[in-house]
Amino acid sequence: QVQLVQSGAEVKKPGASVKVSCKASGYPFTAYFMHWVRQAPGQGPEWMGWIDLKSGAARYAQNFQGRVTMTRDTSITTAYMELTSLRSDDTAVYYCAREPYECINGVCYSDAFDLWGLGTMVTVSS
Amino acid sequence: EIVLTQSPGTLSLSPGERATLSCRASQSVSSNYLAWYQQKPGQAPRLLIYGASSRATGIPDRFSGSGSGTDFTLTISRLEPEDFAVYYCQQYGSSPRTFGQGTKVEIK
Repeated sequence: QVQLVQSGAEVKKPGASVKVSCKASGYPFTAYFMHWVRQAPGQGPEWMGWIDLKSGAARYAQNFQGRVTMTRDTSITTAYMELTSLRSDDTAVYYCAREPYECINGVCYSDAFDLWGLGTMVTVSS
Repeated sequence: EIVLTQSPGTLSLSPGERATLSCRASQSVSSNYLAWYQQKPGQAPRLLIYGASSRATGIPDRFSGSGSGTDFTLTISRLEPEDFAVYYCQQYGSSPRTFGQGTKVEIK
């Protein structure tokens, strides 16, 4: 079954860190990019960054530079997103979402997010 | 950064009616890399349309996308009860990937 299964809800204090996992199954793990998107209560989605699951290279949105790290473990087909120095406005549902991609003659073409995890609620509260 | 502005914020319609949702970009979207997602309460977004006009796998043909450059439209030809939800547009032609703020389609 093609799916992304995320880790469970977290409650953290301000200043702490959180690491969310996203286990992929049912498809070739490294044939896709993995993105992380968060959604604060009542708000639209906010893109955080992505990781090339084959190479491990990651790129982050400016808003999260220095606070976010995306990694993966290909042996267990799992991607991770760690966010540090948590603040109350980091309270949100965090999603992983895969992006199919195709590279032709060294040029890689973007695509939409065709599969999403169910989300992980992260609550930051003192 | 490309800013996507969706309108209207809320659309109140009855089942069977036609829904027209707009997404306007602050600059041209590269290669028309524009997607539409549907989100229901407590669920993750679901891909409906990619490349501005291509339906994703399993999406009914009452959903259609159109547009190019900076102006894009999602049309639902005849609303079914399960179509009442929030719809987001997203551009994936440049970094950072950005989303619109959403249009809620509610039952009138």
